[in-house]
Amino acid sequence: DIVMTQSPDSLPVSLGERATIYCKSSQSVLYSSNNKNYLAWYRQKPGQPPKLLLYWASTRESGVPDRFNGSGSGTDFTLTISSLQAEDVAVYFCQQYYSSPCSFGQGTKLEIK
Amino acid sequence: EVLLVESGGGLVQPGRSLRLSCTASGFTFGDFAMTWFRQAPGKGLEWVASIRSKGYDGATEYAASVKGRFTISRDDSKSIAYLQLNSLKTEDAAVYYCTRGRSGSPSVHWGQGTLVTVSS
Repeated sequence: DIVMTQSPDSLPVSLGERATIYCKSSQSVLYSSNNKNYLAWYRQKPGQPPKLLLYWASTRESGVPDRFNGSGSGTDFTLTISSLQAEDVAVYFCQQYYSSPCSFGQGTKLEIK
Repeated sequence: EVLLVESGGGLVQPGRSLRLSCTASGFTFGDFAMTWFRQAPGKGLEWVASIRSKGYDGATEYAASVKGRFTISRDDSKSIAYLQLNSLKTEDAAVYYCTRGRSGSPSVHWGQGTLVTVSS
């Protein structure tokens, strides 16, 4: 099974500043036949289900603000929020859907500094 | 609008059973795979089980931690996906979410979840 590891576990960031979250997979999630990384990012606010932000590592889901950007390939990925807004306070998860069972990182708690 | 509503959670003793339901609306239920995830309090997300559409043979798959104890099924006439939880353990306590789609794709649509508490 693929193990997903996020860092840091907790990230204090000032409003308007950049937030960067890292995600590493224990094996590559890049499918060579289509050159796509099977990696998604979610945001989860307290008491709510996760919300899909990005898939294929860097494609924004419909309606997701352009301050959310994803990058990386193979085993190392990054989620960047360019200018932190108050509503971005949440836990962020990465997920690989390259192989079954799909698996998630442990989560990164983003908070206001 | 796609809507998924879970129900059936509650407090149950270890070793007992529970059936969760996921009632769907806003799309042609029978055309889609359905998946259950869970999240223990304060913990991360775990895939539990998936069922394909009948058009794709209705195949099921399970996480190793629940295989042999949980059963996923569907009633396309009622637009409901079920998760039967048998031989429950304390470590099965979690919020259970249903989603539209298979485990091999990102999950856009989630229900609000139903809480299962396993305690004597």
